[in-house]
Amino acid sequence: SQTIHQWPATLVQPVGSPLSLECTVEGTSNPNLYWYRQAAGRGLQLLFYSVGIGQISSEVPQNLSASRPQDRQFILSSKKLLLSDSGFYLCAWRWGGMGTGELFFGEGSRLTVL
Amino acid sequence: AQRVTQPEKLLSVFKGAPVELKCNYSYSGSPELFWYVQYSRQRLQLLLRHISRESIKGFTADLNKGETSFHLKKPFAQEEDSAMYYCALSFPSYNFNKFYFGSGTKLNVKP
Repeated sequence: SQTIHQWPATLVQPVGSPLSLECTVEGTSNPNLYWYRQAAGRGLQLLFYSVGIGQISSEVPQNLSASRPQDRQFILSSKKLLLSDSGFYLCAWRWGGMGTGELFFGEGSRLTVL
Repeated sequence: AQRVTQPEKLLSVFKGAPVELKCNYSYSGSPELFWYVQYSRQRLQLLLRHISRESIKGFTADLNKGETSFHLKKPFAQEEDSAMYYCALSFPSYNFNKFYFGSGTKLNVKP
């Protein structure tokens, strides 16, 4: 069976500090991977998606970046956090190729920037 | 561009009452439509998808291409249905299927 893990679950960081959130998928190969930010009243905002190693597409310009150094590893990063980066971040995967079917979500990472 | 619209942020009903959570989308082709649910302290999970045409936990949703809607319905709400519900849209874009969510509707079922 397939599983998805995200960590850390909770993170409190000062403004200007770096960020690294990690997501790994097990039990499948060549998945499509996604990063979303969930904000109250705004739903899930698609941040990045990836169809393969080193292939990253960004949906919105922002202070964040993503990388996919391995097939089942997806990392969300920032060099200098802003207050507005606070939120709940969700990683998700989907079957590869054209990626039809449902998304499977991780448990999320809550980031608070002070 | 707003692709998925859920007009209600909060919907409160009494137990046993019918429920309809509205969802409208904007896409001219043939998308895949989904409903996701997030119960308190649980991860976001699929409730149902339009191509399955099945009923999950008493919920159904019919894709109306003419009205570009995919409303979620249940004839008799239960307290355990209280949760956050998201409508989602997936469509092909070049070599990839994008996946967009609405802003969500919080369903509160009162005893």
